[in-house]
Amino acid sequence: GESVGLHLPTLSVQEGDNSIINCAYSNSASDYFIWYKQESGKGPQFIIDIRSNMDKRQGQRVTVLLNKTVKHLSLQIAATQPGDSAVYFCAENMGIYGGSQGNLIFGKGTKLSVKP
Amino acid sequence: EPEVTQTPSHQVTQMGQEVILRCVPISNHLYFYWYRQILGQKVEFLVSFYNNEISEKSEIFDDQFSVERPDGSNFTLKIRSTKLEDSAMYFCASAYYSNQPQHFGDGTRLSIL
Repeated sequence: GESVGLHLPTLSVQEGDNSIINCAYSNSASDYFIWYKQESGKGPQFIIDIRSNMDKRQGQRVTVLLNKTVKHLSLQIAATQPGDSAVYFCAENMGIYGGSQGNLIFGKGTKLSVKP
Repeated sequence: EPEVTQTPSHQVTQMGQEVILRCVPISNHLYFYWYRQILGQKVEFLVSFYNNEISEKSEIFDDQFSVERPDGSNFTLKIRSTKLEDSAMYFCASAYYSNQPQHFGDGTRLSIL
């Protein structure tokens, strides 16, 4: 994948620290949310998802929090490692009840840089 | 682990020429998608495909674009007469169902000269 460019928000953390990446989504009708990781030269890689009937979901070293009141999504990465360095995108989907066939609306992305 | 594969990884084409981008989705998936990412911009939805027909498309997906699933495994995106502004990374994705995680290929970088 391409670098998303000069205006990409950047988060720089020390190896071993926790990282929090935030995302504001656009549509109050969205009911399904996904976090993707994109490394240089690769496509978006699925990390974790959450549906609108939940406010928290945990995976291996990652947690996603959803606040529907303020349309906010966050991704927490525990004990960040150099291999976590990448661009992270949130994506939303309005779901079949919103008339969607699954097309994802992506955020701009945040570049995570992990210092060893 | 099954994955989405895309070919070619890089395509260079003269403006006005036709180009076909190819994808092999994950074999048991039912929903197929094309997205693009212009350098410096967000990933943008182009089209979704289900049950051998387009189910949804964006404003970007005009008459110059078409998709096809010619056999049981390939999913193609054709741009009939390329323009300079078509230069971008094009990603194919597939999912088992429309509200399940979409899995992406590594993209085709399309460069229009």
